[in-house]
Amino acid sequence: EVQLVQSGAEVKRPGESLKISCKGSGYTFTSYWIGWVRQMPGKGLEWMGIIYPRDSDTTYSPSFQGQVTMSADRSIRAAYLQWSSLKASDTAMYFCARLSDYSASSPIDFWGQGTLVTVSS
Amino acid sequence: QVVVTQSPSASASLGASVKLTCTLSSGHSIYAIAWHQQQPEKGPRYLMKLNSDGSYSKGDGIPDRFSGSSSGAERYLTISSLQSEDEADYHCQTWGDGILVFGGGTKVTVL
Repeated sequence: EVQLVQSGAEVKRPGESLKISCKGSGYTFTSYWIGWVRQMPGKGLEWMGIIYPRDSDTTYSPSFQGQVTMSADRSIRAAYLQWSSLKASDTAMYFCARLSDYSASSPIDFWGQGTLVTVSS
Repeated sequence: QVVVTQSPSASASLGASVKLTCTLSSGHSIYAIAWHQQQPEKGPRYLMKLNSDGSYSKGDGIPDRFSGSSSGAERYLTISSLQSEDEADYHCQTWGDGILVFGGGTKVTVL
């Protein structure tokens, strides 16, 4: 059974750093792209970027380029999303998701459960 | 770049059917899309991939009352025999050249 399990909720202050994780199981982790998606409170889904765990090739949405960093550790089947200096506007739910077709251009077919990030002074 | 448009809301009575629309921007009518369901306070769940010719493939365990169809630049999700648990947001997603694009989502209310 394919599963993406994300790390737990975080409460941070503005200016702090953060790294959240997404661990895949039930499939060949290095063969599928992983995407990150933001959902701000009461809003829709926004694509942030994708990463290929086999070689850590990444593509960022222009809206998030320079704001976050994606990485992966294939040895432990994990993908990461990190911030160096959080802002209150980063408060949102963040989802990781698997792209279905061994390709960067394919639909999402599995989702993580989400990680709620709250940034408040 | 492709843009995906969805109506903000739809409603239908328990046991009835509802048809949701996802519209692709001009010049992108051959794009396939995916439909995802997000129940209240939950993460999204993949429903199906829908091609421009109207063929579709559903995710594991998705009930038969969920079906897809296409016409030109429009992609549809039909939910038949509406159940209370179908009350959710439905997201349309497309992709191309290493980017993903989401519509704004449609909130379905079961009356």
